[in-house]
Amino acid sequence: ELKVEQNPLFLSMQEGKNYTIYCNYSTTSDRLYWYRQDPGKSLESLFVLLSNGAVKQEGRLMASLDTKARLSTLHITAAVHDLSATYFCAVDKRGNSGNTPLVFGKGTRLSVIA
Amino acid sequence: DTGVSQNPRHKITKRGQNVTFRCDPISEHNRLYWYRQTLGQGPEFLTYFQNEAQLEKSRLLSDRFSAERPKGSFSTLEIQRTEQGDSAMYLCASSLGTGFQREQYFGPGTRLTVT
Repeated sequence: ELKVEQNPLFLSMQEGKNYTIYCNYSTTSDRLYWYRQDPGKSLESLFVLLSNGAVKQEGRLMASLDTKARLSTLHITAAVHDLSATYFCAVDKRGNSGNTPLVFGKGTRLSVIA
Repeated sequence: DTGVSQNPRHKITKRGQNVTFRCDPISEHNRLYWYRQTLGQGPEFLTYFQNEAQLEKSRLLSDRFSAERPKGSFSTLEIQRTEQGDSAMYLCASSLGTGFQREQYFGPGTRLTVT
């Protein structure tokens, strides 16, 4: 059974600092997704990583994928309060085709403090 | 493109009652997914459709749960004889069956509280 693990599960960061969230998964996949969820809200797609070595950046967030290590990272640069949210990584339940149900990690609850 | 919509947004019901939720996907998307999310957890897959065909049901989907997508457009999720353990956020997502990224776009969710 595919397992997706994130760490840390809780992260309190000071504004202006950098940090990395890690996502490990247990089976082969060339495709990984990052979502953001604000309290009481639905999931917003952040990144779709489609191949080994893929790197995508949006503002202060950068995501990368190492399929050999079955590891993705979400790096936060110079955190600001607006980044406070829960971040989920997810992997296709079956293989690399997309179009299958997703298996999510438990999420990393990020709090950025002044 | 108005995104994925779900109704109702909130539902409070008494244990033992039946409830039905509706999901309207993005219009050109042929895949539709249902997930359930409890507090502090990631979403968990329940079932999904390609057009009107239900392709897979999770073992989480007990006999009290049924989902339909009769014309390949909107979908309904019904829970019969609700239990307190059914309290959760029910999320619907849709995706294109083709195209390279194939990411799933999520609706706002229906929050169910069973008292």
